[in-house]
Amino acid sequence: SAVISQKPSRDICQRGTSLTIQCQVDSQVTMMFWYRQQPGQSLTLIATANQGSEATYESGFVIDKFPISRPNLTFSTLTVSNMSPEDSSIYLCSAGGVKVGVADTQYFGPGTRLTVL
Amino acid sequence: GENVEQHPSTLSVQEGDSAVIKCTYSDSASNYFPWYKQELGKGPQLIIDIRSNVGEKKDQRIAVTLNKTAKHFSLHITETQPEDSAVYFCAASKGDSNYQLIWGAGTKLIIKP
Repeated sequence: SAVISQKPSRDICQRGTSLTIQCQVDSQVTMMFWYRQQPGQSLTLIATANQGSEATYESGFVIDKFPISRPNLTFSTLTVSNMSPEDSSIYLCSAGGVKVGVADTQYFGPGTRLTVL
Repeated sequence: GENVEQHPSTLSVQEGDSAVIKCTYSDSASNYFPWYKQELGKGPQLIIDIRSNVGEKKDQRIAVTLNKTAKHFSLHITETQPEDSAVYFCAASKGDSNYQLIWGAGTKLIIKP
């Protein structure tokens, strides 16, 4: 399995500003993902973070709003840009592919709880 | 489009009784079905998963059954305990990928003492 940490765990931000969320995995993984979860709702995939190349975004999410970096096999960042109150949510990082060539599952971080005023 | 329906949305059971949560999927190519437990203020945690070549899998008090013909799978928790109270999510893979998942809406399980 993989142990995932996220920073910050929570934040309160003003509209119009940006916040960068960090995700650190304790081992090298082939796959990393970013999700959004509204309170009481299911998980919505924002994008797949690709190491060394641009992230792959799901329908409804764009790079200008949610730029993602993945400089190596253990770390990724998600930036929520030009925030509005509608961006208030829980942002989750997940990772999979702990062993190359072995299909496993996704492991999740604890989440970042973002409130935009 | 592809979707996963999960029922019930809320389930309240007496401590010690069994709980069953059901999911139905639409993508006939789905072959991987994980279940996650999410406690308040935490990220989802994988509790059990099943692949399409298996009809049932058990891990202590937790079991999952899969009926590929009917495209449904279920989570069974026996001898429920207060610490089982959480939101449970089912998911189905998009085709062969273990990582591209279609998520159910979640079930809030309440264990009454």
